[in-house]
Amino acid sequence: QSALTQPDSVSGSPGQSITISCTGTSSDVGRYNLVSWYQQQPGKAPKLILFEVNKRPSGVSNRFSGSKSGNTASLTISGLQDEDETDYYCCSYGGNRNLVFGGGTTLTVL
Amino acid sequence: QVQLQESGPGLVKPSETLSLTCTVFDGSVSSDYYYWGWIRQPPGKALEWIGHMYDSENTNYNSALKSRVSISVDTSKNQFSLKLSSVTPADTAVYYCARGINAGYVPNWFALWGQGTLVTVSA
Repeated sequence: QSALTQPDSVSGSPGQSITISCTGTSSDVGRYNLVSWYQQQPGKAPKLILFEVNKRPSGVSNRFSGSKSGNTASLTISGLQDEDETDYYCCSYGGNRNLVFGGGTTLTVL
Repeated sequence: QVQLQESGPGLVKPSETLSLTCTVFDGSVSSDYYYWGWIRQPPGKALEWIGHMYDSENTNYNSALKSRVSISVDTSKNQFSLKLSSVTPADTAVYYCARGINAGYVPNWFALWGQGTLVTVSA
């Protein structure tokens, strides 16, 4: 199972919106609505921010939203804030009870 | 509030077996509602799913590691464990234990994570 493909980095100015893509295949992202997204601050454990493509756990800001089209899932962060500057990872169910993570994206707030 | 805590040696020699334990505090590792997994992250690199278990008879592993990995549970101690054999320096990583919601034995996401523990493979 190959890792999902994410851009190495994205950037945006405070208040703007950015989108991070997560591209898989028809065997994982394209087949199942089981894409999740994690935010990871330096030296910390990942934090779940979206599950089942576009659902937010309790306590996660509604500035985070998700979508999926074909084999690509996307995380959109609106109203960028300085605190959003960190790493983001996608994850998908890959069939056969397997999971696969993306390569990670570093978000820079300009 | 349920918490997970990884423990084990921080240094392992090449060709030996890495062994880590995850203790579940204020919750039960025996709950049918959850599954329990291991994820690792080499320094400066991406997260990698290692495997997960629902119970002692239902485990799933990353195919790239399958020949070397095993996950088991000790309900008497409310712990689950990871063993990775024949380690090399490429296995140096922060190892996380985590919990997901059991949805018919289809793994989905991990909502609860331990703080992680760094394991270095070196002679």
